[in-house]
Amino acid sequence: DAGVIQSPRHEVTEMGQEVTLRCKPISGHNSLFWYRQTMMRGLELLIYFNNNVPIDDSGMPEDRFSAKMPNASFSTLKIQPSEPRDSAVYFCASSIITGTRLAELFFGEGSRLTVL
Amino acid sequence: QQQVKQSPQSLIVQKGGISIINCAYENTAFDYFPWYQQFPGKGPALLIAIRPDVSEKKEGRFTISFNKSAKQFSLHIMDSQPGDSATYFCAAPAYSGAGSYQLTFGKGTKLSVIP
Repeated sequence: DAGVIQSPRHEVTEMGQEVTLRCKPISGHNSLFWYRQTMMRGLELLIYFNNNVPIDDSGMPEDRFSAKMPNASFSTLKIQPSEPRDSAVYFCASSIITGTRLAELFFGEGSRLTVL
Repeated sequence: QQQVKQSPQSLIVQKGGISIINCAYENTAFDYFPWYQQFPGKGPALLIAIRPDVSEKKEGRFTISFNKSAKQFSLHIMDSQPGDSATYFCAAPAYSGAGSYQLTFGKGTKLSVIP
């Protein structure tokens, strides 16, 4: 089975440009997470969807960040306008979560973003 | 909010030695404590996890020890191998609203096992 698929794997852009990161979760998983990884802050949860509905977006840094999940098999994370401090590796993860019971997260290979 | 403190930040161990990584958490309404392993250029992957009904869980060379009263848990890697060289993350549950809980990760420990 295919795992979580993210694209692009690498993105280099200039400050002020719009960046869109894409994620295809594992089929059958009902929860999707966007994480950001940096050396300084480690792995930070940005937003969490359950059954395509955003449940917790308290980790989204500011209004420049937005995320959507139009259907169970696709999600996007958009940064507009991008800034150098947004440079990081962005991970998408999916899981099957029932009720309040936590379960294994399956991570994609990440999208490395560099904003010049 | 959940805070997870992981130590050490980096660790160098001789092949065959024991690697020990520690984590401390602040609060939790229930217990599920996983460890994730990440190789360079890859996403984290679940290594081993423990739930509240036991104080220790062993899977092969990897063992989680859990001390609920001290709010601490640790990962032990026995007979460490060069292939274990990776970054390890502990995680603890945090309430995220709407009746759901999510994982808060520690900042990671970079383990290097030298031959």
